[in-house]
Amino acid sequence: KAGVTQTPRYLIKTRGQQVTLSCSPISGHRSVSWYQQTPGQGLQFLFEYFSETQRNKGNFPGRFSGRQFSNSRSEMNVSTLELGDSALYLCASSFLFGLAGEDEQFFGPGTRLTVL
Amino acid sequence: QKEVEQNSGPLSVPEGAIASLNCTYSDQGSQSFFWYRQYSGKSPELIMFIYSNGDKEDGRFTAQLNKASQYVSLLIRDSQPSDSATYLCAVRRDDKIIFGKGTRLHILP
Repeated sequence: KAGVTQTPRYLIKTRGQQVTLSCSPISGHRSVSWYQQTPGQGLQFLFEYFSETQRNKGNFPGRFSGRQFSNSRSEMNVSTLELGDSALYLCASSFLFGLAGEDEQFFGPGTRLTVL
Repeated sequence: QKEVEQNSGPLSVPEGAIASLNCTYSDQGSQSFFWYRQYSGKSPELIMFIYSNGDKEDGRFTAQLNKASQYVSLLIRDSQPSDSATYLCAVRRDDKIIFGKGTRLHILP
C-alpha cells in the first residue's frame, strides 16, 4: 500500500506570495491533518479534515486555509506569505482519527517551504 | 504552562543501556498518548500509543502512563545507535492532538 505523498517536496517563495501544498493520503484513509514544524515551535497542528469537512483547527491566522476533496486528497493554502512561514509542512493521514479509538496517523515526507 | 512538555535534551545513553524519555501534559481529559520517532530530515513515525494507566510493551519499547500524575514515559531497552533520533510525545483529546517539542536522544557507541 502506498504511503502518504506530498507535493512539492521543496518550495521557495517570496514575501507576499501565496502557496498551495498538496497531500494524498493512504488509500482508504478519510482523515488528513496538517502540521507546521519549525525548530523553535516544534510540531504544531494546523487543521484536520474528515470526509471533506474541517473538524478542527489550530491557532493559526486565517491566511492558512485548506480543503479536502471527495477522494480524500487535501490541499492547504497560505496567502500573503511572511518570513515566519518558512517551515516544514507535514500532512498525516488516518482511517478514522479520533473516532472509535482509531489513533494511528501516518506522516508524509513533508514540504519544505522557504520564504525569502 | 505548556500543554505537553518534554526535556529537549540531548539525552546521551551508552549503547546497550536503557533510555528513559519523559513527558508531562496539562489536560486531564486527554484520552490517548503517543510516542513518535523523528530522524533528522525525516518525518515522524509512530512508535506506539497507549490509552490506559500502566505499561505497554512492544519489542524493546515500553510506554508507561500515569494519568493521576499526568505523566507518560518511553523506555528503550538495549539502546542501539539507530535509536538516535528526536522523540516526540503527543497527546490527544477528541480530535485534537498536541505534540511536545521533542527530546533528542543520542546513543553512544
